[in-house]
Amino acid sequence: GENVGLHLPTLSVQEGDNSIINCAYSNSASDYFIWYKQESGKGPQFIIDIRSNMDKRQGQRVTVLLNKTVKHLSLQIAATQPGDSAVYFCAEANQAGTALIFGKGTTLSVSS
Amino acid sequence: SQTIHQWPATLVQPVGSPLSLECTVEGTSNPNLYWYRQAAGRGLQLLFYSVGIGQISSEVPQNLSASRPQDRQFILSSKKLLLSDSGFYLCAWSGGGEQFFGPGTRLTVL
Repeated sequence: GENVGLHLPTLSVQEGDNSIINCAYSNSASDYFIWYKQESGKGPQFIIDIRSNMDKRQGQRVTVLLNKTVKHLSLQIAATQPGDSAVYFCAEANQAGTALIFGKGTTLSVSS
Repeated sequence: SQTIHQWPATLVQPVGSPLSLECTVEGTSNPNLYWYRQAAGRGLQLLFYSVGIGQISSEVPQNLSASRPQDRQFILSSKKLLLSDSGFYLCAWSGGGEQFFGPGTRLTVL
């Protein structure tokens, strides 16, 4: 079946450090992946996405890496700031391409 | 620009009472629409999605139902709430790629 999960439920970093959040997926047929950020009491916000024909995509302070060989997805946040503290979810498109399947989330805590 | 609205923001309901949560989208036409539930400290569970008016797909068996009476309106309902229905309910829309989420409704069933 389809499964998207994250390696660590929590990650604590110091302000200014780089953060890496990991995600493993099991459906090798998935071709679209997204990272979301969810702050407490709010809906998830889109951060960055990547399609399976790419292995890296960069945004502002964020980079998503896709390793299809080992079915691994990661989100890198450069110069992490206190405002980056949130729960981060990876998601993959289901086989029909009509819905997303979310992992359980990693809570990122940034201390000053 | 597109916006998505959900209401109410919070709701406290007794067990056995009915439920109606509404979601509307502005600034786009024929969106895919989704209802998710998020239990405390957990990920998002897809409940329903719709690719058009009157077209509803259910992902998990439950005592909830969804309807899409208009192109940009998505309603989540229940005839009788259970304690286990408590959670954070999120509506989302998509044009075929990433999904954009509403602010959510916090439902507490007592």
